[in-house]
Amino acid sequence: GAVVSQHPSRVICKSGTSVKIECRSLDFQATTMFWYRQFPKQSLMLMATSNEGSKATYEQGVEKDKFLINHASLTLSTLTVTSAHPEDSSFYICSARDWDSYEQYFGPGTRLTVT
Amino acid sequence: AQKVTQAQTEISVVEKEDVTLDCVYETRDTTYYLFWYKQPPSGELVFLIRRNSFDEQNEISGRYSWNFQKSTSSFNFTITASQVVDSAVYFCALSEGNTGTASKLTFGTGTRLQVTL
Repeated sequence: GAVVSQHPSRVICKSGTSVKIECRSLDFQATTMFWYRQFPKQSLMLMATSNEGSKATYEQGVEKDKFLINHASLTLSTLTVTSAHPEDSSFYICSARDWDSYEQYFGPGTRLTVT
Repeated sequence: AQKVTQAQTEISVVEKEDVTLDCVYETRDTTYYLFWYKQPPSGELVFLIRRNSFDEQNEISGRYSWNFQKSTSSFNFTITASQVVDSAVYFCALSEGNTGTASKLTFGTGTRLQVTL
């Protein structure tokens, strides 16, 4: 089956620093990837839709300058949390859409802790 | 705007009991997809089922079964003879449109199921 990986799985960073999270489709090409955020004991909320070769589309209330998304290839999208603060601590999950089958697959998630 | 409601925040059952998790959705689209995912403590989402809006047949997969009723906008999930390994948070989700299987998902708030011995 199709596999989506995320790296790192866990990251701890200091307040004010930036952290990059990678989302890779391992055995398929993905023109579209989605980034979700999940706070403890809450639901998943879509942050943005990442399209290969174009700008990401952000959901209302998500700061595009704080959460930088780059989808430079058909197998990789990155989310950079800039100037992270403790309130950005969350579980970030990506999903990738197979451009051939249109099926969507989720990554295992990245747990970010900002101290 | 689409919305998914899972009114049950937490459910606790004893092993071997049957349990039903409720899901009610709202959408203006005639073409849409409904999903159930399981999220164990590890956090990784486990896909359970997808149903499109034109297929109201109920589905059974082992101990799992799903009841889709468009008349009540519900897509309920039943676990028969629950087991401790079923303990997790379960999410119902909705996507709209012709590319609904691969469109952005709107998730419900989740139901935490705890199965004890």
